[in-house]
Amino acid sequence: AQSVAQPEDQVNVAEGNPLTVKCTYSVSGNPYLFWYVQYPNRGLQFLLKYITGDNLVKGSYGFEAEFNKSQTSFHLKKPSALVSDSALYFCAVRDGNTGGFKTIFGAGTRLFVKA
Amino acid sequence: DADVTQTPRNRITKTGKRIMLECSQTKGHDRMYWYRQDPGLGLRLIYYSFDVKDINKGEISDGYSVSRQAQAKFSLSLESAIPNQTALYFCATSDSAGSYGYTFGSGTRLTVV
Repeated sequence: AQSVAQPEDQVNVAEGNPLTVKCTYSVSGNPYLFWYVQYPNRGLQFLLKYITGDNLVKGSYGFEAEFNKSQTSFHLKKPSALVSDSALYFCAVRDGNTGGFKTIFGAGTRLFVKA
Repeated sequence: DADVTQTPRNRITKTGKRIMLECSQTKGHDRMYWYRQDPGLGLRLIYYSFDVKDINKGEISDGYSVSRQAQAKFSLSLESAIPNQTALYFCATSDSAGSYGYTFGSGTRLTVV
C-alpha cells in the first residue's frame, strides 16, 4: 500500500535562511513524487515532480527537491526563504509501476517564514 | 479564466439537505477527481473518473455521489448532508499518464449546520 508522511506540522524559518520541508514515502513500485503548495483560499498548485532521472529536481519559485531512494525521502528545499513562501505544502506519491491513478497526499506542512 | 472552476466557492447548508458542487475544466483532460481536505488529514479521494463512462469510488465515497456530464464537467452531490461533511472540497484534473501532476480548482468550502 502507498503512504506518505510529512513528519512536521509546521516549519518556521527566518527570511533569507535555507528551508527544508520533509517527506517520506512508501510505495511498492517505482514512485512518482510530487510537491504542491496551497496559499490561503486557493487550490493546490503543482510545484515539482520526480518521475525518473536526476535525483535533484527543480521546480517553481526556486524550490527544489531531492529524491533519496535508500531513505525513501523526497524533501523539499529552497536555498533562501521568502516571506511569500509562507503557505501549506503537500507531498504526494503515486505508484508508477501499476499505471494506476491513485495519488496519496500527505497531511501537509505549514511553512512560516518570518521577516 | 481558471483551468479548473468550482462553484460555489462557499456554501452553508442545513443537515439533511441535498447539495451539488460543480466543477468544470478547460484543460481537455480525461481524468477528473473530487477530494476532500480536512485539517491534519491532507486530501482524501472521494470519487474519480477516467472518462465520461468511467466513474469510480475513492476511499471515502459513502454519503456522496457524482455525475460526469461531459469530458469537462464533473459534479459532486451530497444526498443528505451531515455536519461531519463540513470540509473544503477540491476538484482536480490530470492527463492520462498522470505524470504531470494534478491541476486543482480553488475549492468549495462547505459548512453543514
